[in-house]
Amino acid sequence: DSGVTQTPKHLITATGQRVTLRCSPRSGDLSVYWYQQSLDQGLQFLIQYYNGEERAKGNILERFSAQQFPDLHSELNLSSLELGDSALYFCASSADRTSGGLDTQYFGPGTRLTVL
Amino acid sequence: GQQLNQSPQSMFIQEGEDVSMNCTSSSIFNTWLWYKQEPGEGPVLLIALYKAGELTSNGRLTAQFGITRKDSFLNISASIPSDVGIYFCAGTFTTGNQFYFGTGTSLTVIP
Repeated sequence: DSGVTQTPKHLITATGQRVTLRCSPRSGDLSVYWYQQSLDQGLQFLIQYYNGEERAKGNILERFSAQQFPDLHSELNLSSLELGDSALYFCASSADRTSGGLDTQYFGPGTRLTVL
Repeated sequence: GQQLNQSPQSMFIQEGEDVSMNCTSSSIFNTWLWYKQEPGEGPVLLIALYKAGELTSNGRLTAQFGITRKDSFLNISASIPSDVGIYFCAGTFTTGNQFYFGTGTSLTVIP
């Protein structure tokens, strides 16, 4: 168990709909990262938040948005869903090195999104 | 964006054989991570490396941080069927910022 939790585990929805994926980082971790993994593909970095602020942005579509709340949990919002958005979405968290921790990244179990 | 080249893309080996895979980047990294992912699961952190030349083991797994800081290697000794999965490397060159991932090495172990 990595200590990163994600809900829901599975999500089935229709094209055009909007969904919200939730992530709780490991206790004490300030950074949250979101990744998309399509079938038999690698991990595509979407976005990173650090202590509530956006820190880095990857290949995230305009239809997708994220935020990190004061309690450090994060949500990834996917709207106007298309068939091609079907994928595994992973959240990962890492510690803040300035507090003495070393750079690592621990992944949650993922949310499998199916768009029909 | 930053590209990480991971090779080989796939490996089919007999149980008991040793495995080697590597990852190279076009930039200098200050951290290298190695993960294993099984189907439908999240990547699991295997080994973390923080210093050039560092050699770290985790059971039958050994990883090295290349001295050029642009590459890393993972070796698995005496492979067993449960080693099956996809192995990813990841690196970052700015503390606390984005990690870049390799494309993965798919490992199949034949009993």
